[in-house]
Amino acid sequence: DTAVSQTPKYLVTQMGNDKSIKCEQNLGHDTMYWYKQDSKKFLKIMFSYNNKELIINETVPNRFSPKSPDKAHLNLHINSLELGDSAVYFCASSQDLFQPQHFGDGTRLSIL
Amino acid sequence: AQSVTQPDIHITVSEGASLELRCNYSYGATPYLFWYVQSPGQGLQLLLKYFSGDTLVQGIKGFEAEFKRSQSSFNLRKPSVHWSDAAEYFCAVGAGGSYIPTFGRGTSLIVHP
Repeated sequence: DTAVSQTPKYLVTQMGNDKSIKCEQNLGHDTMYWYKQDSKKFLKIMFSYNNKELIINETVPNRFSPKSPDKAHLNLHINSLELGDSAVYFCASSQDLFQPQHFGDGTRLSIL
Repeated sequence: AQSVTQPDIHITVSEGASLELRCNYSYGATPYLFWYVQSPGQGLQLLLKYFSGDTLVQGIKGFEAEFKRSQSSFNLRKPSVHWSDAAEYFCAVGAGGSYIPTFGRGTSLIVHP
């Protein structure tokens, strides 16, 4: 059983398109996150939800919008994709904000 | 704001040799500290964590780390490296007053046979 699963694993699309990445966790955790990892492996937090409530919203363009329909899911929608959005996006979850995180395997987004 | 510094971008060791990966943090209070490992094409996996208590913590895969408050460090060690340990290693400070977990830039471990 995969603890944190993301789909799709790879996403290749053109500039200007809108795309979504889905994330689900079956660990019963209260907190979920989205991270962006750039080509130099730098990992930067984008959003965090705790019990479906947005608690961290870092400096991210408005084109990125997270949605949490329930505690087990945190999806990421991206509008008007740009070349600079190319990266690996990781979903993660933890019991609470102070506990270790469990990561998904990532979604590699490539913008043509 | 908290921060994490991993001064070594790459570390190369021979299989069987000992390993130490450095991590320095900046945080006003006692931090929650973590080490994660990322294998190619995969997400991050927790190796070990420090919250309080014994400053020498044991983790999975034979790794350990020592919290040294006086040096603001949390270095990761392994006595004998295996080829399968080649990966990217991330040190992280847990969410503090800002509730934002912070990761270092990572250290890439290369293992020579």
